[in-house]
Parts: sequence; C-alpha cells; structure tokens
Amino acid sequence: SQQGEEDPQALSIQEGENATMNCSYKTSINNLQWYRQNSGRGLVHLILIRSNEREKHSGRLRVTLDTSKKSSSLLITASRAADTASYFCARGSNAGGTSYGKLTFGQGTILTVHP
Amino acid sequence: DGGITQSPKYLFRKEGQNVTLSCEQNLNHDAMYWYRQDPGQGLRLIYYSQIVNDFQKGDIAEGYSVSREKKESFPLTVTSAQKNPTAFYLCASSITRTEAFFGQGTRLTVV
Repeated sequence: SQQGEEDPQALSIQEGENATMNCSYKTSINNLQWYRQNSGRGLVHLILIRSNEREKHSGRLRVTLDTSKKSSSLLITASRAADTASYFCARGSNAGGTSYGKLTFGQGTILTVHP
Repeated sequence: DGGITQSPKYLFRKEGQNVTLSCEQNLNHDAMYWYRQDPGQGLRLIYYSQIVNDFQKGDIAEGYSVSREKKESFPLTVTSAQKNPTAFYLCASSITRTEAFFGQGTRLTVV
C-alpha cells in the first residue's frame, strides 16, 4: 500500500527559479530515494539517502531527510525547462532488507519549468 | 551497453487472455522487481526476486505470476484473473544496498 504524501502535487515555475518538493511518510525507513520520470518513460534515479544521513547533494539537487518528522525534501536549484518531469520519493523499509529496490512510492509531484 | 530491457513497449490483450511481459538485465544484479503504475499515480510493487529461483509477492500480486529461472530474466505474466490489467508496467533491478535501475516500461491495454 502507498504510504505518505508528496507535496505539492503540481508545481509550475520559471527557468532559473528553485523548486522544492516534499515527501512525508508514516512508517520507519532504512533509505529514501528520489526518482524522476518523463512522460511515458521509465524512472531515472536521482539520489539515495540512508536513514542515518541528513543531507545529500548531487549537482543542482539537494535532498534532506528528517527521520524525527518522517519527511524528506528535494530541492532543484536554478531549474531548467529540461527539468520538467514527475518526481517521486520512494521509501525503502527495513522489511526490504538489503534490497533497496523494494520501495513504496508516493503519488509524485509534477514539475513544469517554463522557459 | 548495460541496462534493463523491457519488451514489448506496447501490448494489447483481449479479455480472458494471459500475456507475458519480458524483462532482461545485463547489469549482473541479483534482485529484480515488477511495478505497476496507473495514470497519475505512483508505482506499486507486484513481485520481487532477490535470487534465482526465489520470488516474493508485493502489495498487488493477485492476478499476476512470475518466474526467475535465470539471473538475467524476470518475466511477468498477467493472467485472466487480473480484472483491471490496463496499466504501465515497470521492471527494475538492484544490487545490495544500492538504488534500483528501471526499464523503459511496457504499456498494457485491454481491448
């Protein structure tokens, strides 16, 4: 069953602006992953953050994790039109063990970046 | 080129038919997964396999079956027992404690 929420469901911004997407969850995790999906395509992995980590960066992406609040956020800085896609957070529970592909996904945030 | 290949890209099924979706990976990953995505929704786990000849049900396994006879292959059969099979199906693989890699998906439509 899907757990937690992603917020906002849709986000529309101009090129150059920052985009922040939030993810909340209900049960304990051992890792949380962010993925991107272009329309009708497969998912592309962005960042994996483990439960003992608080922040990770990759290029223009910054992910934070607050396990006490059961929440995570993805920040995309200096957005580009090519960043237009759906973004999903996916939670890996301890039940998944070392199989980090056993994930529970949120509904996603649709990001539109206008040139 | 290493990756995950799903075929076909589009598949049409008549009522009452079983269909099989193919998923092959050459990444030497031990674990493989099948997810279903409905319009405007996130992914839901159907089945997963951590090693050859072993697999476990996910959250929505009813009406589906899988096999894992080879490390590289994890086919998914959508049976006639699946009452609402129209969806986008995604296969993924992973190794221990790393992210999952996804294929490009198969879009199944009941006609």
